[in-house]
Amino acid sequence: SQTIHQWPATLVQPVGSPLSLECTVEGTSNPNLYWYRQAAGRGLQLLFYSVGIGQISSEVPQNLSASRPQDRQFILSSKKLLLSDSGFYLCACTGQMTAYEQYFGPGTRLTVT
Amino acid sequence: KNEVEQSPQNLTAQEGEFITINCSYSVGISALHWLQQHPGGGIVSLFMLSSGKKKHGRLIATINIQEKHSSLHITASHPRDSAVYICAVRFGNEKLTFGTGTRLTIIP
Repeated sequence: SQTIHQWPATLVQPVGSPLSLECTVEGTSNPNLYWYRQAAGRGLQLLFYSVGIGQISSEVPQNLSASRPQDRQFILSSKKLLLSDSGFYLCACTGQMTAYEQYFGPGTRLTVT
Repeated sequence: KNEVEQSPQNLTAQEGEFITINCSYSVGISALHWLQQHPGGGIVSLFMLSSGKKKHGRLIATINIQEKHSSLHITASHPRDSAVYICAVRFGNEKLTFGTGTRLTIIP
């Protein structure tokens, strides 16, 4: 079965600083990968998804970007963080047996100060 | 518009009670997920349904395609069941649409 690793688990960054969150997946190949954000007291929001290396689709306009340099690596970045970027960031992938199953990573809690 | 609604938003119950959380969606779907999010934030997929009923331990999930409605039931609830339960649906493509979640608190 799939295992998703995310790091760091928690992060406190000042406004205007850069961001890099990494997600790696084990136990599957050529997965669809997703970045979600959950703001405090809000539901999950899809930020980016990728169906293959170098293929990124953005769901909402923002100052974040995503990259997929390898099949099982998904990176979320920002050049300059905003206060509104604070939240809980989850990486997810679809299952190997069926594209409808979705697995989530442990998440990164980002606080922008 | 593809929408997902959950009810109730918050639910507090005594240990041992039978729990029901509801999810309704606006149009036909290809799959529905029930997710559990613990206080630390980690999310676990409990069930994926496209029809009928699934059971895992004390958890039961049902879906009525005609009514566009799903329920998550917990029998003999326990304090460790306290979490946020999230319904998510796939409206025929790869992306999930999430409900806002139900915060369940089970009191010993």
